[in-house]
Amino acid sequence: DGGITQSPKYLFRKEGQNVTLSCEQNLNHDAMYWYRQDPGQGLRLIYYSQIVNDFQKGDIAEGYSVSREKKESFPLTVTSAQKNPTAFYLCASSLQGNLLAAEAFFGQGTRLTVV
Amino acid sequence: QQQVKQSPQSLIVQKGGISIINCAYENTAFDYFPWYQQFPGKGPALLIAIRPDVSEKKEGRFTISFNKSAKQFSLHIMDSQPGDSATYFCAASNSSASKIIFGSGTRLSIRP
Repeated sequence: DGGITQSPKYLFRKEGQNVTLSCEQNLNHDAMYWYRQDPGQGLRLIYYSQIVNDFQKGDIAEGYSVSREKKESFPLTVTSAQKNPTAFYLCASSLQGNLLAAEAFFGQGTRLTVV
Repeated sequence: QQQVKQSPQSLIVQKGGISIINCAYENTAFDYFPWYQQFPGKGPALLIAIRPDVSEKKEGRFTISFNKSAKQFSLHIMDSQPGDSATYFCAASNSSASKIIFGSGTRLSIRP
C-alpha cells in the first residue's frame, strides 16, 4: 500500500531533550512537509523540502531542524530550543511541478507531550 | 498575502441540513484550492479540490463554489450527516512554488 508513515504515534519528552519524529513515504513524491497543529490554530508550516538535500523554513521553524538525505524520508528534530513543543505534528508529501502539487497526503500524526 | 482566512471557527448543523464553510485569499497567484477533512487523532485527507477556471465543482454531497473576482471559495455539504462531523480545512497553492497554505480550520458538528 502506498502511503506516508509517521512514528511514533505518541511521544513523551523531558524538558531539555531533543527528540526526532520519523516520516517515511513510498508515494515517490518530491515534496515533503512538516506541520504543527495546535487546538484552534489550524496547520502551521514548520519546514518543507522540494528535493533531496534541500529544505526551506516555514512559518515556525525556530527550535526545529530537519534533514532530507533520501527522497522517502524527512525526519523532524524538536530541539530543546523549542519552548512549547507539546503539539500534534503532521508530516505530508505531494507531487511537485504541476497542478496536483497541492494534493498533499498526510500521515497519521505524532502527538508530542513534554513531561 | 500568503494567508487563507477561514470561517466560521466552529459550526453546528442539524442532520439533513446544509453546512457551509467559507474561505478567502489575497494572493492571485494561487491556482489550486483543495479542501481537507480531518477526524480526531488522524491526519487530514483530501476531500475535494477546484481550479480557478471553474466556478463550481460537485462530488456527491460536497460542492465547492469559487468566486475568482471576490477571491473567495466555499464548501457546501448537502444533507449533512453525523459522520460528516470533523474539522475541515481549506487550502490554497501556487503550484510552481509547491507550497500549500492552510486556513485555520472549521470544527463541524452534525446533530442527530
